[in-house]
Amino acid sequence: DAGVIQSPRHEVTEMGQEVTLRCKPISGHDYLFWYRQTMMRGLELLIYFNNNVPIDDSGMPEDRFSAKMPNASFSTLKIQPSEPRDSAVYFCASSLRGPNYEQYFGPGTRLTVT
Amino acid sequence: SQQGEEDPQALSIQEGENATMNCSYKTSINNLQWYRQNSGRGLVHLILIRSNEREKHSGRLRVTLDTSKKSSSLLITASRAADTASYFCAKAQGGSEKLVFGKGTKLTVNP
Repeated sequence: DAGVIQSPRHEVTEMGQEVTLRCKPISGHDYLFWYRQTMMRGLELLIYFNNNVPIDDSGMPEDRFSAKMPNASFSTLKIQPSEPRDSAVYFCASSLRGPNYEQYFGPGTRLTVT
Repeated sequence: SQQGEEDPQALSIQEGENATMNCSYKTSINNLQWYRQNSGRGLVHLILIRSNEREKHSGRLRVTLDTSKKSSSLLITASRAADTASYFCAKAQGGSEKLVFGKGTKLTVNP
């Protein structure tokens, strides 16, 4: 069974450009999470969905960030406009049992904003 | 603020030795989990220990939980070069619907 799939794996963009990150969770997992990982701040939860509905977006840094989950097998995280401080690795994860239980992570998207 | 702080930040051992990593936390938890992250990869779930459990095993992994000290330990026995990775603890805090990850322990196992 395929794990969590993320694309692209690497993204390099210039400041001010729009960036869209994509995620396909494990089939049957009703919970989907977006995390950001940096050396300074570690792994931070940005937002999570349950049954395609955003439940907690308190970690979204600012209005430049938005996330959608139009169906059970696809989610996007969009940054518009991007800034150099957005450079990080963005992970998508999914869970069968809920936000307090085992989470399965994708390989991540390494974003570099110049 | 970051909860689930791991100690040490980095650990270097020889193959065959045991590796012990510690995790402390500040508030009550429902469970505590350990994850592994190989360089350039996503996190992989290793083990979950509930607040009413004291010890759990999975292969060469042994996790203990001491709720009175608000701490947990991950022991990897007979380490292998393939165990080289960063290890994170994540806490499911009481009343919270999300995991809080520490900054991890970077383990290097030298062949």
